[in-house]
Amino acid sequence: GQQLNQSPQSMFIQEGEDVSMNCTSSSIFNTWLWYKQDPGEGPVLLIALYKAGELTSNGRLTAQFGITRKDSFLNISASIPSDVGIYFCAGRLGGAQKLVFGQGTRLTINP
Amino acid sequence: NAGVTQTPKFQVLKTGQSMTLQCAQDMNHEYMSWYRQDPGMGLRLIHYSVGAGITDQGEVPNGYNVSRSTTEDFPLRLLSAAPSQTSVYFCASSRDRAKEQYFGPGTRLTVT
Repeated sequence: GQQLNQSPQSMFIQEGEDVSMNCTSSSIFNTWLWYKQDPGEGPVLLIALYKAGELTSNGRLTAQFGITRKDSFLNISASIPSDVGIYFCAGRLGGAQKLVFGQGTRLTINP
Repeated sequence: NAGVTQTPKFQVLKTGQSMTLQCAQDMNHEYMSWYRQDPGMGLRLIHYSVGAGITDQGEVPNGYNVSRSTTEDFPLRLLSAAPSQTSVYFCASSRDRAKEQYFGPGTRLTVT
């Protein structure tokens, strides 16, 4: 099946630092989505991207849809303790409803 | 709106038992999906539905059945539980095929 490579797999940072993570694929996607999952909860949508080159912000979060349509990145500025969790990227091929998910980036923040 | 709801939250089954995981949404979404989440594997699609009466297989459909008799409900049936089906199961819905999916809180299933 289609694969999304998400990196890094885990991050250990100090509170206040900026965070950057990305997803890459060998396939072209028409949609990129970024989710955050807290322990024991379902993934919650952070940002949705629908056009190549699109740059979208949600508070301290910024995500971009890569120009090649094969990658996307998520940045978090000035991290705070509640940013801790697992971040997933997901991509959609063509007009399909099916999403392909990355393996996740586990973010840990030292106060 | 309650969004996407799932029951039960936790379940323990013995090998060979059957059960149904319930999923409901009150957003009038046409598209619904079931995923399983295993450590280091992200989320993998089991089955999905593009509307009432229409279902299709995802990436890992074996051992699971679904039906979509109403827009609101999309139950997932385990026919004969196996230890390999120990996982966390998430239901998701979206307004249409091109839009973002919203997830339920998950069902943690253990098969012994």
